[in-house]
Amino acid sequence: SQQGEEDPQALSIQEGENATMNCSYKTSINNLQWYRQNSGRGLVHLILIRSNEREKHSGRLRVTLDTSKKSSSLLITASRAADTASYFCATDGGTSYGKLTFGQGTILTVHP
Amino acid sequence: EAGVVQSPRYKIIEKKQPVAFWCNPISGHNTLYWYLQNLGQGPELLIRYENEEAVDDSQLPKDRFSAERLKGVDSTLKIQPAELGDSAVYLCASSLVFAENTDTQYFGPGTRLTVL
Repeated sequence: SQQGEEDPQALSIQEGENATMNCSYKTSINNLQWYRQNSGRGLVHLILIRSNEREKHSGRLRVTLDTSKKSSSLLITASRAADTASYFCATDGGTSYGKLTFGQGTILTVHP
Repeated sequence: EAGVVQSPRYKIIEKKQPVAFWCNPISGHNTLYWYLQNLGQGPELLIRYENEEAVDDSQLPKDRFSAERLKGVDSTLKIQPAELGDSAVYLCASSLVFAENTDTQYFGPGTRLTVL
């Protein structure tokens, strides 16, 4: 079963625009991670935010976490065609650290 | 630093045949994961090893799937016999997990299995 639900399922934007993806989850978490997957390839880790953190930045990425609403968002600023990929949130929760539960992903298409 | 290595990258078999996937994790990573990813879905955990011990195999269909992690390093995932519904991408990942600290999971490129 998948805990996270990403929204939207698909997003199409022009190069230079910002892209925002949202993730909601159901149970308490230790941390939440975002991954990117290019077509036909493995997942690449983007950023990890712990349950006691509210916002984190990494380059053009900004992640927020609202544990009261059980939701997170990933913002990619000044998008590039190379950002075209599927983006997944994954929650690490409960008493078993290291067990990730992935959402279904958001397919991002950035048009040059 | 070498990443997670998986082989083969692609495998096509007839149903009812056996198949095996191999994974070599990043050196020094004590935790290894096998995930199944269906088309258009996120990965789902099949089994997680901490060193040689399978600490979570609750999602592994034990009637046909088996896995082992030799000497706490390489791992093999086997399906016998394969069914049409097993067609998917099988991902291996590794990480360094200790106490309550979780490090990033690093994924291999996956093995795309097609069962005909």
